[in-house]
Amino acid sequence: DAKTTQPTSMDCAEGRAANLPCNHSTISGNEYVYWYRQIHSQGPQYIIHGLKNNETNEMASLIITEDRKSSTLILPHATLRDTAVYYCIVRATNNAGNMLTFGGGTRLMVKP
Amino acid sequence: DGGITQSPKYLFRKEGQNVTLSCEQNLNHDAMYWYRQDPGQGLRLIYYSQIVNDFQKGDIAEGYSVSREKKESFPLTVTSAQKNPTAFYLCASTVQGANGELFFGEGSRLTVL
Repeated sequence: DAKTTQPTSMDCAEGRAANLPCNHSTISGNEYVYWYRQIHSQGPQYIIHGLKNNETNEMASLIITEDRKSSTLILPHATLRDTAVYYCIVRATNNAGNMLTFGGGTRLMVKP
Repeated sequence: DGGITQSPKYLFRKEGQNVTLSCEQNLNHDAMYWYRQDPGQGLRLIYYSQIVNDFQKGDIAEGYSVSREKKESFPLTVTSAQKNPTAFYLCASTVQGANGELFFGEGSRLTVL
């Protein structure tokens, strides 16, 4: 599975959009982009995933560039409860073990 | 409610003792996983199991053992051979063949004194 690069940390003002970038320049055509987040001392929580098209759900939006080498997770109106570590992961669709490799992630701090 | 239950949440043990962490899920998921997380780090895969009575080593299996006798249960034993067992342990599960949405438990924090 391709590796990802994320900023170590980011700040965001409460109520503003949080845009979390992820670089996955070596991504293959059959690899999805996944986002999870982990609030301190809890298990990670699935947010969203996509292959080529932009995706939106009740939690966030995922914007994937046309060349698929990078993506951005958007939390449209960040709240204090969105303070967490956000992990960007790529995984092949033929990954029989269904394994996800978690890197260091981005520590998002939402400030009042 | 369906979910994954890990126990205990906190565990203290003396060096040299084996410890078993419990992971139970009632989601009818086929695949289950154990991850280890050290402070400020990402998750590293210890073991995973795709079906009952079968499991594979992950990236850091040395010093750990697992069993999968029932679909809903995947206990992890941290043996005395594990050099640095103090860590946060996370169990996860997913439907086999699903596009990677893992459901995680709340974790077990092991401290070896």
